[in-house]
Amino acid sequence: TQLLEQSPQFLSIQEGENLTVYCNSSSVFSSLQWYRQEPGEGPVLLVTVVTGGEVKKLKRLTFQFGDARKDSSLHITAAQPGDTGLYLCAGISSGSARQLTFGSGTQLTVLP
Amino acid sequence: KAGVTQTPRYLIKTRGQQVTLSCSPISGHRSVSWYQQTPGQGLQFLFEYFSETQRNKGNFPGRFSGRQFSNSRSEMNVSTLELGDSALYLCASSLLYNEQFFGPGTRLTVL
Repeated sequence: TQLLEQSPQFLSIQEGENLTVYCNSSSVFSSLQWYRQEPGEGPVLLVTVVTGGEVKKLKRLTFQFGDARKDSSLHITAAQPGDTGLYLCAGISSGSARQLTFGSGTQLTVLP
Repeated sequence: KAGVTQTPRYLIKTRGQQVTLSCSPISGHRSVSWYQQTPGQGLQFLFEYFSETQRNKGNFPGRFSGRQFSNSRSEMNVSTLELGDSALYLCASSLLYNEQFFGPGTRLTVL
């Protein structure tokens, strides 16, 4: 079973601060995705990273895939209250049985 | 283009009953996946259907089943409900496997 561990589990910060969320596994994934979920809604895909070492930027969000494709990080610069939500990483396994394995999630609260 | 819709949004059942949840994918999407989300276990994969065939299955007991119709709409069924089945059940549709679009979920409470 492939497991993805996210840290921290909970994060409460002030508006304007920077933060980093980590997603780690002992398994190699063909690609990794980050989602954000708000209360009463399903997760929304933010980004997919495919190549080891890849860095993608989405406005104030920076996503990095580890060189060995076992881990990833999400860095938010100058967080805003609108960034509040549950951040989930999800790995896509290689091979024929491709399915998403989700991390446990990081609940981010950005206080005004 | 309309998003993924799930019905009902909320459901309350008692132990031992069965329940059927429905998911309508985005038009043109042939793959539908189901997930269970709980505070303790997070988001766990139940199964995926593609063109009316179950393509992948997660590690859930046989009480959890699903099906997909020719119009790609999907249903999942849980029989003999247990308290631990209380969860948010999410459906996701995709055109390409690596881009899944989630519905708002069905919140199931088992009393």
